[in-house]
Amino acid sequence: AQSVAQPEDQVNVAEGNPLTVKCTYSVSGNPYLFWYVQYPNRGLQFLLKYITGDNLVKGSYGFEAEFNKSQTSFHLKKPSALVSDSALYFCAVRDAAGANNLFFGTGTRLTVIP
Amino acid sequence: DTAVSQTPKYLVTQMGNDKSIKCEQNLGHDTMYWYKQDSKKFLKIMFSYNNKELIINETVPNRFSPKSPDKAHLNLHINSLELGDSAVYFCASSQSRVAQLFFGSGTQLSVL
Repeated sequence: AQSVAQPEDQVNVAEGNPLTVKCTYSVSGNPYLFWYVQYPNRGLQFLLKYITGDNLVKGSYGFEAEFNKSQTSFHLKKPSALVSDSALYFCAVRDAAGANNLFFGTGTRLTVIP
Repeated sequence: DTAVSQTPKYLVTQMGNDKSIKCEQNLGHDTMYWYKQDSKKFLKIMFSYNNKELIINETVPNRFSPKSPDKAHLNLHINSLELGDSAVYFCASSQSRVAQLFFGSGTQLSVL
């Protein structure tokens, strides 16, 4: 069975500081991992994904994520947070050998404080 | 042009009614999905369709039925609406298993 955990419901960070949003996963095979962002009253927007290759993945709006197989983690990071980064962030996983659907974590609300 | 469009954006209805939400994608993708987001913002997969065939049917009530006239459309029909069906429903599509999903802007369903 596939699952995703986002241990923090809320993350607060000061503008200009680095930010991290945590994600751990569980799949039976190799994972396909994704990060999405949701702004108020909007659909989900794709940020980045890990399929294979380099463990450090760079995505939209200056975000990056590091795949760590031993820790089964895929934390989202950004070196310098902007107020406009405030949103709801979802981690998602798909089992490479399994079913076609994408399982989402429970979401982490990021607030960047001016 | 909107890549994944769903209508209506808002749907307010009475318990017991039947309603449909339409979804269209112009990306040429092979797979389409319906997700439900509840009041706590949890996202749950409901259905996915690949080349007009249902490939996943999660444990949702059979009052919910996906209908796909062609691979660019995946409509969601709901019979006998209940209060607990109130949520935001998102349509999405993807090109392949490794590709990201593209989401519509959501349909806010309120059952009174």
